[in-house]
Amino acid sequence: GDSVTQTEGLVTLTKGLPVMLNCTYQTTYSPFLFWYVQHLNEAPKLLLKSSTDNKRTEHQGFYATLHKSSSSFHLQKSSVQLSDSALYFCALSEDNYAQGLTFGLGTRVSVFP
Amino acid sequence: GGIITQTPKFLIGQEGQKLTLKCQQNFNHDTMYWYRQDSGKGLRLIYYSITENDLQKGDLSEGYDASREKKSSFSLTVTSAQKNEMAVFLCASSIDWGEQYFGPGTRLTVL
Repeated sequence: GDSVTQTEGLVTLTKGLPVMLNCTYQTTYSPFLFWYVQHLNEAPKLLLKSSTDNKRTEHQGFYATLHKSSSSFHLQKSSVQLSDSALYFCALSEDNYAQGLTFGLGTRVSVFP
Repeated sequence: GGIITQTPKFLIGQEGQKLTLKCQQNFNHDTMYWYRQDSGKGLRLIYYSITENDLQKGDLSEGYDASREKKSSFSLTVTSAQKNEMAVFLCASSIDWGEQYFGPGTRLTVL
């Protein structure tokens, strides 16, 4: 079956520094990849999505590029803010989107002043 | 825009009890989902429904039932609550390729 791997459980860093959250996936189908962000006691919200190989997608200062050759969709930001402290999930959908998403375990990002 | 509401926000039950969680969406989305979120385990799919009266099992369906009597609502029943169980149940809906909108969740505690 499908799987998503996020290697970092917790990332702590200082405001203004860059961050990269790793996401790799396994699927036998054509993948759609997503990043969701969940702030404390809130619902997960879509941050980025992509199904196009080697095309960078950006939103709210975050960016990611889907690389099908390496099955990766890493999330990056060049300068984190205190408000970026949250739980970040990478998720995968197959061609038939209605079957739901397969989520990684999530990476908690804590940004300090 | 639209919104997903989940009731109740907090649910406390006893071991063996049958518990029902409710979800309403006004996006007019066809597909709705129930996920379970456990600390350190991400989100896992319990049930989904692609239209009214349709039900599809996810990877975590054992111990749960679901009901989709209307397009706008999707209920989840814990058939027999397990002692010391604690989790957040998230409802979601979608219309296009995987972009899902989530509700605020129901936090379950079983005593």
